[in-house]
Amino acid sequence: NAGVTQTPKFRVLKTGQSMTLLCAQDMNHEYMYWYRQDPGMGLRLIHYSVGEGTTAKGEVPDGYNVSRLKKQNFLLGLESAAPSQTSVYFCASSSYRGMDTEAFFGQGTRLTVV
Amino acid sequence: TQLLEQSPQFLSIQEGENLTVYCNSSSVFSSLQWYRQEPGEGPVLLVTVVTGGEVKKLKRLTFQFGDARKDSSLHITAAQPGDTGLYLCAGGSGGGADGLTFGKGTHLIIQP
Repeated sequence: NAGVTQTPKFRVLKTGQSMTLLCAQDMNHEYMYWYRQDPGMGLRLIHYSVGEGTTAKGEVPDGYNVSRLKKQNFLLGLESAAPSQTSVYFCASSSYRGMDTEAFFGQGTRLTVV
Repeated sequence: TQLLEQSPQFLSIQEGENLTVYCNSSSVFSSLQWYRQEPGEGPVLLVTVVTGGEVKKLKRLTFQFGDARKDSSLHITAAQPGDTGLYLCAGGSGGGADGLTFGKGTHLIIQP
């Protein structure tokens, strides 16, 4: 019972390098999200998707791009990494169930940009 | 931008004590969720409250949604070391499509 799987779990990047974080869910959920979690800042929404082929900006989208070519996958890209993007990244998914929609989270990707 | 303020930010108490964590906002939310997060893991949903004044109980945990749907509280009775973790409240704007607004969390440590 995989749920939401994030790849990789850890990564160290040099400033200016690029990378893609992969999120895969096996629950047939329509909605998928990327959050970043920083000490003292809580979880902040980067981008989200309400369905295959659609994406939208969240609270802190600058420096990130996303794609949702398949319903089960949501990719987060960093084109030119900066030290300010050092964070723990969480992917989540949910299905529409009205007011009590539950978000299921992956285990996170710890990214360090040096 | 809707904001959720959680208090206290850190709490360390002895096993067997009671505690309350608060989640407050100036905005109205359609629903309020509480998540628990352990180190190295993603948040896991504990409960969702959707009706003003609603109270839900989960064993020793009691969750309440304010009458005006702007605030919520989590009360733990007879805390145990297994309750240790980061507790996050999250507000929904309806339907879940545009994500949840999270508070900064309460780091709870229950000492044996």
